[in-house]
Amino acid sequence: NAGVTQTPKFQVLKTGQSMTLQCAQDMNHNSMYWYRQDPGMGLRLIYYSASEGTTDKGEVPNGYNVSRLNKREFSLRLESAAPSQTSVYFCASRPGTGITYEQYFGPGTRLTVT
Amino acid sequence: QKEVEQDPGPLSVPEGAIVSLNCTYSNSAFQYFMWYRQYSRKGPELLMYTYSSGNKEDGRFTAQVDKSSKYISLFIRDSQPSDSATYLCTGNYGQNFVFGPGTRLSVLP
Repeated sequence: NAGVTQTPKFQVLKTGQSMTLQCAQDMNHNSMYWYRQDPGMGLRLIYYSASEGTTDKGEVPNGYNVSRLNKREFSLRLESAAPSQTSVYFCASRPGTGITYEQYFGPGTRLTVT
Repeated sequence: QKEVEQDPGPLSVPEGAIVSLNCTYSNSAFQYFMWYRQYSRKGPELLMYTYSSGNKEDGRFTAQVDKSSKYISLFIRDSQPSDSATYLCTGNYGQNFVFGPGTRLSVLP
């Protein structure tokens, strides 16, 4: 049981390049989330998927797109990377049924855009 | 104004001290309140949660919520060097989880 896995762990991009961050969970959770974490800003929600087949914008969606490929996988795409997108990106999942409050986080992807 | 405010620290205490970490929030719609612990270069892990005003205790940790003043606290008794981490408070409504910026805690041996 690996929990939430993210690839890659590190990435350096040039301005204007594109890339996809991958996230997978093996806990049969319904809900999945993408956050970015910047110094002094805490975790900010980019997009979430309450269940397979649905996605919704969070607090800071501009410049990003997401795909809920199946119940296990939720990817985040940067179409044209900008230096402002330099951050640590975390994927999280949650059972999403009943009274469930705990989110399980992946190890993060450290992205630098030059 | 951010929905969840938290003193970023850093906070340094000697081993064995009682630590008090605090947050304020502005959104009355928050249903649950949680504390996450995040070690350096790792993802956050849930430490404690509560959904009503009052105290909740788990071992050395006590979470306290005062909804009337919109104040969230985490107390750590007999702090250990292994408690050195960043502590994030969060409130949620529906699928929205709003995190504070985190307080960095160092417990010195």
